[in-house]
This record gives sequence, structure tokens and C-alpha cells, in this order.
Amino acid sequence: GNSVTQMEGPVTLSEEAFLTINCTYTATGYPSLFWYVQYPGEGLQLLLKATKADDKGSNKGFEATYRKETTSFHLEKGSVQVSDSAVYFCALGLRMDSSYKLIFGSGTRLLVRP
Amino acid sequence: ETGVTQSPTHLIKTRGQQVTLRCSSQSGHNTVSWYQQALGQGPQFIFQYYREEENGRGNFPPRFSGLQFPNYSSELNVNALELDDSALYLCASNDGGPKHEQYFGPGTRLTVT
Repeated sequence: GNSVTQMEGPVTLSEEAFLTINCTYTATGYPSLFWYVQYPGEGLQLLLKATKADDKGSNKGFEATYRKETTSFHLEKGSVQVSDSAVYFCALGLRMDSSYKLIFGSGTRLLVRP
Repeated sequence: ETGVTQSPTHLIKTRGQQVTLRCSSQSGHNTVSWYQQALGQGPQFIFQYYREEENGRGNFPPRFSGLQFPNYSSELNVNALELDDSALYLCASNDGGPKHEQYFGPGTRLTVT
């Protein structure tokens, strides 16, 4: 089946620390991979994406590389800020029947302390 | 450019009742998807509408139904509410193109008592 597994949180870091949030997936076919971020009380915002193997998605200092050989899409940032505190969701996107659906992991909460 | 909007923001219903949630898609977007996000979980795909037709459905019972209107706005209807239906309901729209970038609304928080 199709699924996404993320590391459990919360992840607590000091400001300017290096961030890694692990994400692995299982999929039939050739999915696109996404990272979404959810701030408290809000919906999901697309952070970055990659559509094929070896693609690197990047945005706002975050980046992730689509690794087909390890079925992974780990999120990294070199220096986190307090404002990065949020819940991060890894997702794969697949066309199934006539629709395009996103399959999400369970989310990883990041807390950045000053 | 107006983003995805949803209404209401919050509502409380009693078990067995029916509820309708509304979503206005982003300008230029003809595809709307609905997701259910239980507390502490990732969103789960309910169904998708493209040009007023349901074109895909997740593992949700028939008491979850929807509509899409000519202006591409959408409704999610849930009949015979159960306690487990308590969740954040998210609407996402996209332009149906190859980028598959879905833009989410702020959600409707439904509490069933």
C-alpha cells in the first residue's frame, strides 16, 4: 500500500541549531513528495516539493531531496528560528483513478527555543 | 488573489445530527479536495471534485457526501454524526494542472458531543 512514516516528535531545538526531520515512504508508481507546515490554529501551507528522483525541493532555508533508493525525503534546515515552531507533515502525491490525492504522515512537532 | 476560505470556523453538533461545511476555492482553481484531520494525526483524504463531479474517494462511508458548484466552491455534508467525526476538516484547491500543488484553507473544527 501507500504510506508515509515520519519521526515522532516533539523535536526541541535551540535557535540556530541544525534541523533534520526524517520521512520515509512506501508507494506504488512514481509519487511526488511534499512537505507541508501547519502553524497553530491554521491550515496547511506547502513548504516545498519534489516531483522525481534526485530532485531537491527548497524554500525559506528548508530543503529536502527525493531519494528513491532509500525511499526517503528528509527535511533539513541549517539554522532554525523561533518562528519555525510548527507541525511539519511529509506527504506523497499520487494519481489514483481520476483523482490526485495526498497521503500524509502523522506530523512532527518542532519547538524552537530562544 | 483570494486564497481558499472555509466556513464556519468552528461548530458543535450532537451525535446523530447532520452538518454542512463550505469551501470557496482559490481563484482559477477547478478542483477541490476534502481532508479530515483528527487531533494529533495527519490529514486523511475524503474525496475530490473536479468540474462538479466526484472523481475520487478515500475510505470514508457514504454518509460523507459532497457537492461542487459551477463557481467551483464546494460543500461537505456529513449525516448521522458520530463522536469519531470530531476533527478539523480541511479543504484544498488546485488548478487541475500537472504541478498538483494543493492549497489548503484554514479548516473547520467540528466537535460532536
